[in-house]
Amino acid sequence: DSGVTQTPKHLITATGQRVTLRCSPRSGDLSVYWYQQSLDQGLQFLIQYYNGEERAKGNILERFSAQQFPDLHSELNLSSLELGDSALYFCASSVGYNSDYEQYFGPGTRLTVT
Amino acid sequence: GENVEQHPSTLSVQEGDSAVIKCTYSDSASNYFPWYKQELGKGPQLIIDIRSNVGEKKDQRIAVTLNKTAKHFSLHITETQPEDSAVYFCAATDTGANSKLTFGKGITLSVRP
Repeated sequence: DSGVTQTPKHLITATGQRVTLRCSPRSGDLSVYWYQQSLDQGLQFLIQYYNGEERAKGNILERFSAQQFPDLHSELNLSSLELGDSALYFCASSVGYNSDYEQYFGPGTRLTVT
Repeated sequence: GENVEQHPSTLSVQEGDSAVIKCTYSDSASNYFPWYKQELGKGPQLIIDIRSNVGEKKDQRIAVTLNKTAKHFSLHITETQPEDSAVYFCAATDTGANSKLTFGKGITLSVRP
């Protein structure tokens, strides 16, 4: 158990809908990262927040947004969902600001868009 | 940006044998190289990492080596066990302003009993 929690574990929704994925980092960690894992693209970095502020952006679509709250939990919002958004979504947390701190992953949320 | 490649994509070994998984990276500024193990239905688990000021690091049956000149690093697992069967990912990052971990595609390791 990494200490990172994610809810829900599974999510099934229809195209065009909007969903929110939630992540709680390990105690003491200030950074939260979001990743998308699909069979053809592997693990892709989406976005990082550090202590409530956006720190780095990857290949995140404009339909996706995230935020980190004062209690350091984070939410990833996915809107206007398409079939291709079906994937595993992981969050990870680390203690530091830069990406060379150890990142610990949560168990993931499996999103299925029908 | 960084490009990380893993070779081979699948690897099958006999229990008790050693397994070596290799990764190459493209950005000479990369200085941190973690390895993750992902079992079916679970999130990636950090198993070992190495920084660019070190050539080798060991942790029990697992070791990682880094060749900065050739820009490749390898994961070595000795005395493999069936529970080592999983997907292994390598990754690389620098510490630039917008640095991020870039992952390889993963390799499926199967340990035959």
